[in-house]
Amino acid sequence: GAVVSQHPSWVICKSGTSVKIECRSLDFQATTMFWYRQFPKQSLMLMATSNEGSKATYEQGVEKDKFLINHASLTLSTLTVTSAHPEDSSFYICSVGGGLAGDTQYFGPGTRLTVL
Amino acid sequence: TQLLEQSPQFLSIQEGENLTVYCNSSSVFSSLQWYRQEPGEGPVLLVTVVTGGEVKKLKRLTFQFGDARKDSSLHITAAQTGDTGLYLCAGRLSGGSYIPTFGRGTSLIVHP
Repeated sequence: GAVVSQHPSWVICKSGTSVKIECRSLDFQATTMFWYRQFPKQSLMLMATSNEGSKATYEQGVEKDKFLINHASLTLSTLTVTSAHPEDSSFYICSVGGGLAGDTQYFGPGTRLTVL
Repeated sequence: TQLLEQSPQFLSIQEGENLTVYCNSSSVFSSLQWYRQEPGEGPVLLVTVVTGGEVKKLKRLTFQFGDARKDSSLHITAAQTGDTGLYLCAGRLSGGSYIPTFGRGTSLIVHP
């Protein structure tokens, strides 16, 4: 399966600052990447579908101006949390899927964001 | 409305016991995946089932896809402490675009 990395693995920032999270597909050309948010002991909540070379598709209720997604290459997608607030604190996970991966999703290890 | 209903939501058992986790829907899925996630890590794929009635085994884990491809189950025999984690089912709706649908998850704790 595909190997997916995320950076950073955890980040602590002050309220009002912006944080960028990188998702890299190390051995798979990912035309599509997915960004999820997860609260403790809960399932994954799909935030957006990131398409290489085009605008991301956001799920209902997710602010596209707050969660900026850029998928500039087949191996890299970034999620920027702008003007972060404590309620944005969460576990953010990316995955690659579709195409040669079929219906399977390969997940990154996640990024723990804490906003003070 | 949750497309995939998982049950139970929480499960706390002793080592050696058997358990079954269910994933149900009123919709038909072209495929369904089961993942396990440990705290602070991303989910890891356990299995994909695509054929109605299909049964797959992975050591002590048995996965079944319903005949109508609307439901699935995960059975663990003689649970071990290493089975502790969050189990997630996910599927692709039949005839739909590839937008992943996840169940709410089952949090399993196996006590020694």
